[in-house]
Amino acid sequence: QVQLVESGGGLVKPGGSLRLSCAASGFTFSDYWMSWVRQAPGKGLECVSYMSNSGNTIYYADSVKGRFTISRDNAKNSLYLQMDSLRADDTAVYYCTRATPESDYWGRGTLVTVSS
Amino acid sequence: DIVMTQSPDSLAVSLGERATINCKSSQSVLKSSNNKNYLAWYQQKPGQPPKLLIYWASIRGSGVPDRFSGSGSGTDFTLTISSLQAEDVAVYYCQQYYSAYTFGQGTKLEIK
Repeated sequence: QVQLVESGGGLVKPGGSLRLSCAASGFTFSDYWMSWVRQAPGKGLECVSYMSNSGNTIYYADSVKGRFTISRDNAKNSLYLQMDSLRADDTAVYYCTRATPESDYWGRGTLVTVSS
Repeated sequence: DIVMTQSPDSLAVSLGERATINCKSSQSVLKSSNNKNYLAWYQQKPGQPPKLLIYWASIRGSGVPDRFSGSGSGTDFTLTISSLQAEDVAVYYCQQYYSAYTFGQGTKLEIK
């Protein structure tokens, strides 16, 4: 069965960095586009980034452009999100999703808290 | 960016009654080359990740009960729950994937 497991979240100070990981299993990872979607506490959903299966197509929301970097390692069935220059408004649960192009599978998320 | 606007923001419906949620996009999400609407609906229960309900505007996801249906085309879409069950209490989101991905603000569905 398809599984997506995020890790790497935690508490970080404003201006700090974190690297999120998503371990995928149960499908041929290299065949699928993948995305990161976040949800601030009590708020709605925002797609912050996605990447094509080959890595040739990358999207960033304006809110994270220049600060976040998405990457993937198809040999390790893993998706990553490098988050730099973190701000308080980046506080959210970050979900890894499989994009087909709709998000048909979601991980359980990892919480990122940016606070001094 | 395509802006997605849902209505209402919240909705209370009696058990067994019909629930209807609307979603409007700021521009058409119908691609003429394949005649597909790039529109999905998700259900999110407290403490859980969203779950895909509907894609291509009207196709039910795997294992989704047939009381859930999606309709509409172009810029106006509807999610209908034909007979509300207690387990349907959740927040519902529409999403366009025609140009990047954007979500509506969500509609909270409760039991009356």
